[in-house]
Amino acid sequence: KQEVTQIPAALSVPEGENLVLNCSFTDSAIYNLQWFRQDPGKGLTSLLLIQSSQREQTSGRLNASLDKSSGRSTLYIAASQPGDSATYLCAVIGGGFKTIFGAGTRLFVKA
Amino acid sequence: DAGITQSPRHKVTETGTPVTLRCHQTENHRYMYWYRQDPGHGLRLIHYSYGVKDTDKGEVSDGYSVSRSKTEDFLLTLESATSSQTSVYFCAISEDRSSYEQYFGPGTRLTVT
Repeated sequence: KQEVTQIPAALSVPEGENLVLNCSFTDSAIYNLQWFRQDPGKGLTSLLLIQSSQREQTSGRLNASLDKSSGRSTLYIAASQPGDSATYLCAVIGGGFKTIFGAGTRLFVKA
Repeated sequence: DAGITQSPRHKVTETGTPVTLRCHQTENHRYMYWYRQDPGHGLRLIHYSYGVKDTDKGEVSDGYSVSRSKTEDFLLTLESATSSQTSVYFCAISEDRSSYEQYFGPGTRLTVT
């Protein structure tokens, strides 16, 4: 059974710092991995999707990498801003539409 | 933002009553999903649909049924609501069969008393 773990559970950093969020999964037979952002009381916003054949994806200050063999993905946020404060979720999509989410990392960026 | 709406956005109901949540999309995407989000459990897939009248169970389907009679609408029904079904329910859609990238609706907060 696929299990997805996100570390750390919570993170507080000063504005301007570069940071890395981690996502690990137990079954490497995945179709893709998707990173989301969730603001309190809101829905999920898709940030980046990495297909199983890809190693990384970039969007603005965000870069996500995928290492299927080791069961790991990282989300790198450059030059963090207070507006980046949110919960970040990773989701692993496997066969049969089975989507498993991690518990998330709550990020707080201090001005 | 993907055109996904959920209704109602908030609902309080009593144990034993039937409840139907609606997800409506304007993107003409083929795939639709229902999730629930609970503290300590994260997001879990309830049911999904891969076309009109084509649905299947997800990880936590007991106590829930779904229907999809039109591409744009996916209904989630709690036949007899229980307190354990108090949760935030999210609908999602996807189209690209190579990536299954998912887009989420705003959520419905359901409280069963």
